[in-house]
Amino acid sequence: DARVTQTPRDKVTEMGQEVTMRCQPILGHNTVFWYRQTMMQGLELLAYFRNRAPLDDSGMPKDRFSAEMPDATLATLKIQPSEPRDSAVYFCASGLGGPGGNEQFFGPGTRLTVL
Amino acid sequence: AQRVTQPEKLLSVFKGAPVELKCNYSYSGSPELFWYVQYSRQRLQLLLRHISRESIKGFTADLNKGETSFHLKKPFAQEEDSAMYYCALSASGSNKFYFGSGTKLNVKP
Repeated sequence: DARVTQTPRDKVTEMGQEVTMRCQPILGHNTVFWYRQTMMQGLELLAYFRNRAPLDDSGMPKDRFSAEMPDATLATLKIQPSEPRDSAVYFCASGLGGPGGNEQFFGPGTRLTVL
Repeated sequence: AQRVTQPEKLLSVFKGAPVELKCNYSYSGSPELFWYVQYSRQRLQLLLRHISRESIKGFTADLNKGETSFHLKKPFAQEEDSAMYYCALSASGSNKFYFGSGTKLNVKP
């Protein structure tokens, strides 16, 4: 049963520290998404890749966030420097790109706490 | 611009009562609509999509283009239905999803 994996599952860090979250999409999926989930905002799309190329990162604060796909099996989301307001659950999802919407498969999330 | 609205943050019903989670959208083209569910401390998973026109775990949702709605319904709620429910829209020709803010369903015994 193929699943999206994310590491770490939980991260507690201090303000100003760099945070790197990793995601392994389902093998064969060519679209990868990063979301942030908070009580107030719900699910916000941060970045979206297709065939490893970034297509949309308009939801991401550019000054401190960066997202990359060094290869087809790894997506990373980095925050530098981290701030308390970044505390949230970060989800990665992957899917099969193609015409129209296709199901997105979510990872278990990384719960980030910035003190 | 695409937008998905879930007006209720929290919905509480008693076991056996009917439940309807509201979802309205704004989109000028032909959207694809989805409902995702997140049980406590689990990952989000697809519940159903409008093109399938199927019932999953007793839930159904009908796309009403006139009212731009995609409400999720179940005639008799069960305690195990307690979860967070997200409505999502995918614009035609795009893989990008627009999620609503979510509705927390609490089914009381």
